[in-house]
Amino acid sequence: DSGVTQTPKHLITATGQRVTLRCSPRSGDLSVYWYQQSLDQGLQFLIQYYNGEERAKGNILERFSAQQFPDLHSELNLSSLELGDSALYFCASGPSDRGVETQYFGPGTRLLVL
Amino acid sequence: GDSVTQMEGPVTLSEEAFLTINCTYTATGYPSLFWYVQYPGEGLQLLLKATKADDKGSNKGFEATYRKETTSFHLEKGSVQVSDSAVYFCALGALGTPLVFGKGTRLSVIA
Repeated sequence: DSGVTQTPKHLITATGQRVTLRCSPRSGDLSVYWYQQSLDQGLQFLIQYYNGEERAKGNILERFSAQQFPDLHSELNLSSLELGDSALYFCASGPSDRGVETQYFGPGTRLLVL
Repeated sequence: GDSVTQMEGPVTLSEEAFLTINCTYTATGYPSLFWYVQYPGEGLQLLLKATKADDKGSNKGFEATYRKETTSFHLEKGSVQVSDSAVYFCALGALGTPLVFGKGTRLSVIA
């Protein structure tokens, strides 16, 4: 158990809809990272938050947004969903924003868009 | 930008065989290097890491040495088990930037 929790575990929705994925980092970790894992694209970094502020952005679509709240949990919002958004979404946490530390991954949310 | 290239899979081995998964990297600074493993249905978990040149990371019988001269961090295990079947990701982390992952290598070990 990494100490990172993600909800929900599975999500099935329709094209055009909006969903929210939730992540709670390990106790004491200030950084949250979001990743998308699909069969054809591998593991893609989406966005990082550190202590409530956006710190780095990767291959995140404009239809996607995220935020980190004062209690350090984070939410990833996916809107106007398309079939191609079906993937595993992981969050990871780390103690700082230095990028060289170990990241601890949650179990993921499997999103299926029909 | 920084990047990681690892051998494509899938790799299929018999139990007790020797394992090597190649990983090379491109980075402008002095990154830390990681191997993460993803077992079926689970998230990624750290397998081992090395933070500077010539460091050797090791865990659960797996080893990898940070080779700056060849920009490599190959993963090895002397005798694999069925329970090692998983996807293995090589990654690098540079100061101030998120981890950069390779595409992953799927390993299947058959009894």
